[in-house]
Amino acid sequence: DQQVKQNSPSLSVQEGRISILNCDYTNSMFDYFLWYKKYPAEGPTFLISISSIKDKNEDGRFTVFLNKSAKHLSLHIVPSQPGDSAVYFCAASVGSSNTGKLIFGQGTTLQVKP
Amino acid sequence: DTAVSQTPKYLVTQMGNDKSIKCEQNLGHDTMYWYKQDSKKFLKIMFSYNNKELIINETVPNRFSPKSPDKAHLNLHINSLELGDSAVYFCASSSGLAGGLYNEQFFGPGTRLTVL
Repeated sequence: DQQVKQNSPSLSVQEGRISILNCDYTNSMFDYFLWYKKYPAEGPTFLISISSIKDKNEDGRFTVFLNKSAKHLSLHIVPSQPGDSAVYFCAASVGSSNTGKLIFGQGTTLQVKP
Repeated sequence: DTAVSQTPKYLVTQMGNDKSIKCEQNLGHDTMYWYKQDSKKFLKIMFSYNNKELIINETVPNRFSPKSPDKAHLNLHINSLELGDSAVYFCASSSGLAGGLYNEQFFGPGTRLTVL
């Protein structure tokens, strides 16, 4: 029972263009969502997050959109750079559970071509 | 200075052996976690400790036992290793348990365990 799903295992975009990574979830109790970026042989690093009380959060080139009715979130990277090539994980949590438990998707590998 | 460190980075061992993976964080965080990334690349929580107290204990074999000697360390002991234990194990830490900012977990570089 995978509560967080990233249905696209990979994505390839041209440098300078927009990258859009998608994530779907099934648990309506999730109230906080995060995106992590992972390079080979390294641990995931936090990128950006969004609370369920918002529908958009922006940080530089990265914007996360949340559509609660569709149980869908997306990460937009504009403009994409070759250094953005990595695996991107979506994660979700139930803040009120007070456990800090994150449920991760299976990741999307982004390749940005020069 | 590495924020969350794990040793060893690679671990190759025979079936039936007992091994340990160490994790240390120098961020002053109260909560530490162990995750397993299997061959399908899913990152799944295994355990979580908050101030040395077990908070999360997912459905993992009891051959896996976490030990937290202090807030800065969370070690993972695995007894009677099996082929299916081969995976990358990540340690992580966060400043608390509640939602929002506290869920921003900082990960170590991972330990690739190979059981032959």
